[in-house]
Amino acid sequence: DIQMTQSPSSLSASVGDRVTITCQASQDISNYLNWYQQKPGKAPKLLIYDASNLETGVPSRFSGSGSGTDFTFTISSLQPEDIATYYCQQYDNLPRTFGQGTKVEIK
Amino acid sequence: EVQLVESGGGLVQPGGSLKLSCAASGFTFSGSAMHWVRQASGKGLEWVGRIRSKANSYATAYAASVKGRFTISRDDSKNTAYLQMNSLKTEDTAVYYCTRTGTTEFDYWGQGTLVTVSS
Repeated sequence: DIQMTQSPSSLSASVGDRVTITCQASQDISNYLNWYQQKPGKAPKLLIYDASNLETGVPSRFSGSGSGTDFTFTISSLQPEDIATYYCQQYDNLPRTFGQGTKVEIK
Repeated sequence: EVQLVESGGGLVQPGGSLKLSCAASGFTFSGSAMHWVRQASGKGLEWVGRIRSKANSYATAYAASVKGRFTISRDDSKNTAYLQMNSLKTEDTAVYYCTRTGTTEFDYWGQGTLVTVSS
């Protein structure tokens, strides 16, 4: 199975800050990586697909980059509504696997 | 508008069975692979399994943790996917989501249904 190592597990930042989350795959997954946002009590929401493509309707302050084994997710200017847990997920191989999540809080 | 609506969750004793449904609308269900993903309270997301379309022979795949106990099926005439769960264990307690492969994987999710395995 492909292991997805996401870091940090949590972070606290101020409104307007740049926030970066990393995700490392245990083997090359090309660009077969998605990023999701999950708010408490809600289903995950797709933000970024194919590592760097912004899903329709998602604010442009969200972005993704990387390929192979190393990936980065960025919020360019943190907003109060961005408080959530973020997950990476690979879809190169079965079983599909997720990172353990990063909980983003406001300082 | 794409919609996925899960149902069938509830309380079941260890060793029991439960069948979840995922009713789909707003897209060509018959052409889409459907997946189940679960999340235990306070924990991360765990892929459970998937079923592909008729064009891909309705191929199924499962996580090791559920293989041999869970079965995914679909009824394209009813635009519904199912998750049959047998020999349930306490560690299967979770919110179960259905999601699809659309323009990309997991682009739409249902609201989830809670399964509690407890005596």
